[in-house]
Amino acid sequence: KAGVTQTPRYLIKTRGQQVTLSCSPISGHRSVSWYQQTPGQGLQFLFEYFSETQRNKGNFPGRFSGRQFSNSRSEMNVSTLELGDSALYLCASSLAGTGASPLHFGNGTRLTVT
Amino acid sequence: DQQVKQNSPSLSVQEGRISILNCDYTNSMFDYFLWYKKYPAEGPTFLISISSIKDKNEDGRFTVFLNKSAKHLSLHIVPSQPGDSAVYFCAASYLNSGGYQKVTFGIGTKLQVIP
Repeated sequence: KAGVTQTPRYLIKTRGQQVTLSCSPISGHRSVSWYQQTPGQGLQFLFEYFSETQRNKGNFPGRFSGRQFSNSRSEMNVSTLELGDSALYLCASSLAGTGASPLHFGNGTRLTVT
Repeated sequence: DQQVKQNSPSLSVQEGRISILNCDYTNSMFDYFLWYKKYPAEGPTFLISISSIKDKNEDGRFTVFLNKSAKHLSLHIVPSQPGDSAVYFCAASYLNSGGYQKVTFGIGTKLQVIP
């Protein structure tokens, strides 16, 4: 079974631009979550989508948004990029039934804002 | 407010010895705990988990211990191997009122196993 796929792997943008990151979950997984990883901050939760609906959101500004398509693929968008947005963005999928289930992560998109 | 705390940013252990990684949490609603391992340039991978109804879970060289009264869990790796060198994230979750899992991660502990 293919794992979680994130594209692109690396991205360089300048301040003020916007960016879209893509994530394809494991087949059969309906939940997709997004995390931001920066040194010293660990994995900060951005949002979670399940069956095309955002059902959980972290404490990030409205510049960060996402969506999920009917095939469970998800995109994350960051508008008006700031230097502080430079980070590794990780997508994770899970079965997300009523019980706890581990997250399966992709290898991330490394975003550098200059 | 950091609900999941990994107070040791790094740890060095000799190959063959035991590695103990610690994690503390503050939210008593957490009922499921997980450890993830992350190599550079890769995403975290699930390692082991424990439900709050247990106090120990073992999987090969990896054992997780949970002390609910102290709100503390630890990951033991015995014996440690150079390939275990990675960043380890502690995570905790609970089912919220909507019936889905809310997961919170610690900031990670970098383990170095010295050959």
